[in-house]
Amino acid sequence: AQTVTQSQPEMSVQEAETVTLSCTYDTSESNYYLFWYKQPPSRQMILVIRQEAYKQQNATENRFSVNFQKAAKSFSLKISDSQLGDTAMYFCAFMKTGNTGKLIFGQGTTLQVKP
Amino acid sequence: NAGVMQNPRHLVRRRGQEARLRCSPMKGHSHVYWYRQLPEEGLKFMVYLQKENIIDESGMPKERFSAEFPKEGPSILRIQQVVRGDSAAYFCASSLLAGGNSYEQYFGPGTRLTVT
Repeated sequence: AQTVTQSQPEMSVQEAETVTLSCTYDTSESNYYLFWYKQPPSRQMILVIRQEAYKQQNATENRFSVNFQKAAKSFSLKISDSQLGDTAMYFCAFMKTGNTGKLIFGQGTTLQVKP
Repeated sequence: NAGVMQNPRHLVRRRGQEARLRCSPMKGHSHVYWYRQLPEEGLKFMVYLQKENIIDESGMPKERFSAEFPKEGPSILRIQQVVRGDSAAYFCASSLLAGGNSYEQYFGPGTRLTVT
């Protein structure tokens, strides 16, 4: 069975600085997808970034980038130039390829961006 | 293009009553997923449905919970004889496909169920 672990329950960062959120996962699959979702106080789940395991290049989306280390089963999220609107809970998630569709989420990291 | 719609947004039920949660997927999406989020926890997969079929219900409690996605109309998550432990946020997500290039799941705003 796959598991996703986020070892940082809470983090804080000053506005405009950079922060990295950690995520590790366990799987015997060779092909899979990894995601970071953001859940602001509104509780709406918003997809931040995704990574296909077969791609060696790390995904980037504007101020968000990942450090994907397949051998180490690590998938960290870096937020550059943090903004107050980045304050939210962040969830790392895993999905096997194939006709499953099941997302497996970590416990989440609460990020507070301070002015 | 409207996003995933869920209603009601908030639902209060007394112990023993039934709760019905509705989810309308994004236009063109035929794959629906239900997740449950207990307070201070991550989302837990419950069930994956395609039109008129349950594909994976490995996360559904064995009793009192059922889900459907009929040919016409929204997907329904039904909880019979609710107990206090059912209090949670229930999220629905939809995707165009379950694999390949259109596997991304788009989430609705959730239904917060409170059992008194």
